[in-house]
Amino acid sequence: QPVLTQSSSASASLGSSVKLTCTLSSGHSSYIIAWHQQQPGKAPRYLMKLEGSGSYNKGSGVPDRFSGSSSGADRYLTISNLQSEDEADYYCETWDSNTWVFGGGTKLTVL
Amino acid sequence: QVQMVESGGGVVQPGGSLRLSCEASGFTFSSYGMHWVRQAPGKGLEWVAFIRYDGSNKYHADFVKGRFTISRDNSKNTLYLQMNSLRAEDTAVYFCAKSGGGAALLQDYWGQGTLVTVSS
Repeated sequence: QPVLTQSSSASASLGSSVKLTCTLSSGHSSYIIAWHQQQPGKAPRYLMKLEGSGSYNKGSGVPDRFSGSSSGADRYLTISNLQSEDEADYYCETWDSNTWVFGGGTKLTVL
Repeated sequence: QVQMVESGGGVVQPGGSLRLSCEASGFTFSSYGMHWVRQAPGKGLEWVAFIRYDGSNKYHADFVKGRFTISRDNSKNTLYLQMNSLRAEDTAVYFCAKSGGGAALLQDYWGQGTLVTVSS
């Protein structure tokens, strides 16, 4: 089964950009992932599906400030022009052999 | 708009049972696979179970196999999770989620969740 590794925390200033990383375990570097956002006290929200090629497909209503990219086993979520409402937990997720796996999540603090 | 509303959560004693429901609207429920995902207090997301659009195949995480069963009633646009032999470690908010397209069937819409507390 694939393992997804995320940093536990990140921080960036209001109006700046931040790049969050999700790393796929060895042997799974080509896998598609999804990024989900969970604001404090709320349900998760699907942000995008991201392929190993770097191609991504965003969910309905996701602002243009959110983008994805890939490099090898790393999958990135970049948030530009950070807003206060971007302060949230961000989870990556993938799938293999009818099992779905989440990363541990990154808590983003907007300073 | 796509909406899922979970219900059925509550407090249950260890060893007890509970059935969660998730009523869906705003999309053709019978055309999409559905997931249950849970989140223990202060912890991350954990996938629990998936059922294909027609109920033909069901998959459960190892830690719930033999105890939890996912099912659906497409005539009622409703997803279920039957939870038996509940343990303290099953305490969590349980979310239902719609799967999107593509082979990976990742979630693209989430419900608001229902809290299950297993305690004596």
